[in-house]
Amino acid sequence: EDKVVQSPLSLVVHEGDTVTLNCSYEVTNFRSLLWYKQEKKAPTFLFMLTSSGIEKKSGRLSSILDKKELSSILNITATQTGDSAIYLCAGRAGKSTFGDGTTLTVKP
Amino acid sequence: GAVVSQHPSWVICKSGTSVKIECRSLDFQATTMFWYRQFPKQSLMLMATSNEGSKATYEQGVEKDKFLINHASLTLSTLTVTSAHPEDSSFYICSATRGGQNTEAFFGQGTRLTVV
Repeated sequence: EDKVVQSPLSLVVHEGDTVTLNCSYEVTNFRSLLWYKQEKKAPTFLFMLTSSGIEKKSGRLSSILDKKELSSILNITATQTGDSAIYLCAGRAGKSTFGDGTTLTVKP
Repeated sequence: GAVVSQHPSWVICKSGTSVKIECRSLDFQATTMFWYRQFPKQSLMLMATSNEGSKATYEQGVEKDKFLINHASLTLSTLTVTSAHPEDSSFYICSATRGGQNTEAFFGQGTRLTVV
C-alpha cells in the first residue's frame, strides 16, 4: 500500500524564521511529488517535482526531490503570518496519495 | 494555472435525501478527475478516480452505490451522495488533471456537506 509521511506534524515559528518541511514517500510506480498549501478551503498547488536534485522556486518557497532517499523538502524563508496553513505533500502514480500534512503557524 | 470550479461550496440536507456535487474544469479538458473526502484536521482521502466516458474506480471501503460518480464530459464530473446520513457530513473536494502522469492536479474549492 502506498504511503506518504510528513514531518513535523505541526510547527510554530515567528515571522522571519526559515522553516523546512519534510515528506517521505513509498509509492509504487512513482511519477511525481506534489506540494499543496491548504488554508480554510481546498488545497492550492505549489510545486510538482519529477526530477531528483532540481530545485523549484517560487518567491520565498522552494522545494527539491531526492529520489534516492524517497523524500522531498519544502523550504520557506522569511516566513510571514500569511504562510500559516497546512502544507500537504502527495506522491503520485496514477492517483495521488497524500500525507497527513504539516500545520505551520507563523506568529507575528 | 488551470481553474477547477466546484459547486455548491456548501450544502445542508436532510437525512435520507441525495445531494449532487459538480466539478468543472473551466479552461482545460480534464481527462481524469479525482474525488476526495476530508474530515476535520485530517488529510485528504481519495474516494474514487474518474476518467471521462468510463466507470469510476473506487478506493477500497468506498461504497459505489452510495457515492455515485459520473464523468460524462471532459469538463464535468459529478458526485452524488445518495440517501445521505449524518456520518456522510464532510468536506468533499475534487481535483482534475489534463491527463498524463506528469501533469499537475488542480483542486476545486470544495463542498462542505452537512446532513441533519
